[in-house]
Amino acid sequence: DAGVIQSPRHEVTEMGQEVTLRCKPISGHDYLFWYRQTMMRGLELLIYFNNNVPIDDSGMPEDRFSAKMPNASFSTLKIQPSEPRDSAVYFCASSPNTEAFFGQGTRLTVV
Amino acid sequence: KQEVTQIPAALSVPEGENLVLNCSFTDSAIYNLQWFRQDPGKGLTSLLLIQSSQREQTSGRLNASLDKSSGRSTLYIAASQPGDSATYLCAAGGFSGSARQLTFGSGTQLTVLP
Repeated sequence: DAGVIQSPRHEVTEMGQEVTLRCKPISGHDYLFWYRQTMMRGLELLIYFNNNVPIDDSGMPEDRFSAKMPNASFSTLKIQPSEPRDSAVYFCASSPNTEAFFGQGTRLTVV
Repeated sequence: KQEVTQIPAALSVPEGENLVLNCSFTDSAIYNLQWFRQDPGKGLTSLLLIQSSQREQTSGRLNASLDKSSGRSTLYIAASQPGDSATYLCAAGGFSGSARQLTFGSGTQLTVLP
């Protein structure tokens, strides 16, 4: 298995633009997590899904953030409109039970 | 709310030394403790997973222990090598209500000098 695949690896966008981050989890994993990593706050859980259903989105910072998982092999995290303070590395992780496997991340820069 | 602390924040050692990284957590009601490695600009690589019923796990030169009652875990690295240089993160897996939580520490940045 290729592991958790995220795209794009890097994204630079202007403030106010819509940004969509994509994730393909490991096949067979029932859980999918979205994390954000910054120097100031470390790794923060944004939202997680179980069997494609959002379970806990309490970490989503604002209504500008939304996440979907239309099927077991694909998830998106959307920011609309983006702001400079959204600049961070966004990680997707999947899990079959209690062990988490992370993707390589998307480095987002909002200018 | 679970809080995870890692000490020290940074560590520099000469090649060949054995070393210990520390992780503490405030809520002992965890289902596992996971150690990760993160290289600069890269994702997180899972190193060891200790279930709540276990005391330790070993993989090669790495050994992780878990003491739930005291809220502590350690990662022991034997005979360190320059290739071990990275940031090491621990994460405590637990529940907040019915929702799963994986709470991360801020990491220990390890440098192994040749």
